Amino acid sequence: DAGITQSPRYKITETGRQVTLMCHQTWSHSYMFWYRQDLGHGLRLIYYSAAADITDKGEVPDGYVVSRSKTENFPLTLESATRSQTSVYFCATAGTGTETQYFGPGTRLLVL
Amino acid sequence: GENVEQHPSTLSVQEGDSAVIKCTYSDSASNYFPWYKQELGKGPQLIIDIRSNVGEKKDQRIAVTLNKTAKHFSLHITETQPEDSAVYFCAAMIKAAGNKLTFGGGTRVLVKP
Repeated sequence: DAGITQSPRYKITETGRQVTLMCHQTWSHSYMFWYRQDLGHGLRLIYYSAAADITDKGEVPDGYVVSRSKTENFPLTLESATRSQTSVYFCATAGTGTETQYFGPGTRLLVL
Repeated sequence: GENVEQHPSTLSVQEGDSAVIKCTYSDSASNYFPWYKQELGKGPQLIIDIRSNVGEKKDQRIAVTLNKTAKHFSLHITETQPEDSAVYFCAAMIKAAGNKLTFGGGTRVLVKP
């Protein structure tokens, strides 16, 4: 049972390109989250989803788009990547009625 | 929105000594406070949590205390070991508001053998 997987694990792209980071979970958890981690800022919430087809903005949503057509997948798209989006991106899940969030291994993104 | 401050940002301790990390939060409606440990190259992992109706919780060598009046909570690690070296994050959540966590900035703990 893989739990949460993120792909790719590492990505280098150029300014202006579209990039999609994938998150897949095998637990059928209702909640899914995207965070970015930058030195000195801890983890900041980008977007979250309470269920399929239900998404909402977090603290730092600008420049990102999400969708959730299936419970198990929660892709994060950078429509036109900028250098300020260089970061480590973590996906997390949580079951209904529980607070505990489980994190994936992360995707390191470098925007040149 | 919620704001969580975490101190210190780095902490170096001798093996066997105790380590204490402190966090403050701004929103009195927050009612769930987890602590995560992040090892190099990995995602954060929950190590202990506390809910607002409890003042203290222990799990072997780690404990968390919560002072709702002062809006601060702390992580205590006793008898530190080299494997405790990692980055630790505190967080706060208002459970009725979408299960969203607000994280502190993190504390890098180094346990010297």
